[in-house]
Amino acid sequence: QVQLVQSGAELKKPGASVKVSCKGSGYIFDGYYIHWVRQAPGHGLEWMGWITPNIGGTSYAQQFQGRVTMTSDTSLNTVYMELSNLRSDDTAVYYCARWANAYAMDVWGQGTTVTVSS
Amino acid sequence: DIQMTQSPSSLSASVGDRVVITCRASQSINSYLNWYQEKPGRAPKLLIYLVSSLQSGVPSRFSGSGSGTDFTLTISSLRPEDFATYYCQQSYSAPFTFGQGTKLDI
Repeated sequence: QVQLVQSGAELKKPGASVKVSCKGSGYIFDGYYIHWVRQAPGHGLEWMGWITPNIGGTSYAQQFQGRVTMTSDTSLNTVYMELSNLRSDDTAVYYCARWANAYAMDVWGQGTTVTVSS
Repeated sequence: DIQMTQSPSSLSASVGDRVVITCRASQSINSYLNWYQEKPGRAPKLLIYLVSSLQSGVPSRFSGSGSGTDFTLTISSLRPEDFATYYCQQSYSAPFTFGQGTKLDI
């Protein structure tokens, strides 16, 4: 079946970086954008950006510019989201999601909890 | 950036009720409006895309309408599994912003 599987939970100190992976299966991985969305505790969904796995094109939300890097490895059907210079308010569940041809996120990863704490 | 405003922020209802959630965009987004359902500890789930198209497998008691800047999600007859948080999202232009969510509880 079509699915996205993310890497496991991370505990990081302020100032560190985190890299979350998202592996697709059950569909032609190159054919769909992958978006990243996060949800801080008690907050709503926040769009972070997207990547086109085949060419590695990216677009990032302004509030993450300079701190986020999205990359892809099509040989592994995997995309990565790296967030640097972590702060306590980066503590959140990070999701990857497939961008369907109908301009919506139709398949989601299970989420990766990133905790930033000294 | 396009701002998405949902109302109400929370809503109490009962099984069998008809529920309407509204979403307003700060500018016209044509028909690029999606609805997601989120339950605690689970990833969001796409319910409706492009205003009114039902995602595969989603029950027909869910429906969407609207155009331009004003949109609604209607649940015709609430079932116990529908108690969750609902988000609208615009897919017209990046950043693809979400509404703040509507928590639906008993």
